[in-house]
Amino acid sequence: SAVISQKPSRDICQRGTSLTIQCQVDSQVTMMFWYRQQPGQSLTLIATANQGSEATYESGFVIDKFPISRPNLTFSTLTVSNMSPEDSSIYLCSVESPSDTYNEQFFGPGTRLTVL
Amino acid sequence: GNSVTQMEGPVTLSEEAFLTINCTYTATGYPSLFWYVQYPGEGLQLLLKATKADDKGSNKGFEATYRKETTSFHLEKGSVQVSDSAVYFCALSDLASKIIFGSGTRLSIRP
Repeated sequence: SAVISQKPSRDICQRGTSLTIQCQVDSQVTMMFWYRQQPGQSLTLIATANQGSEATYESGFVIDKFPISRPNLTFSTLTVSNMSPEDSSIYLCSVESPSDTYNEQFFGPGTRLTVL
Repeated sequence: GNSVTQMEGPVTLSEEAFLTINCTYTATGYPSLFWYVQYPGEGLQLLLKATKADDKGSNKGFEATYRKETTSFHLEKGSVQVSDSAVYFCALSDLASKIIFGSGTRLSIRP
């Protein structure tokens, strides 16, 4: 398994500002994923982040709004830019199991964001 | 495209009752199937998984069998406890390693 930490665990932000969320893994992993969980909803994949290349965004998500960095094999950041109340969600990072061949993913504890 | 459909909640049961949460999927190829659980105020945890047809995943008294003929992966537990109260997500993993989640089912267990 992989142990994943996220910072901050929660934040309350003003409209129009930006927040950068950090994700740290205790082992080297190739693929990291960022998800959004809107209140009462399921998880939606925002993007896949591989080290050394640009993130791949899912339909409905763009780099200008959700820039992602992946400087090494154990760390990634997601920035939520120019926030609005609609961005209030839990943001989770996940990693693919480093040893499992069945595409299992482990999730961080999430960052609960409230935009006023 | 690939998708997961699961039983809508909320589901409320009495302690020691039998639980079934239905999940069906649409996918090309042979996806891996998962049940994830999210306890109140906590992150998402893998509950169990199955990687091929007829596999049975099990953990903490929960079971689910990968049924290719009915494209289903229903979650069952013979006797639920108050501590099982959580949101349960059925999910599949496609060839691109992306996990697609169902809408989630909130389960509440009465003492």
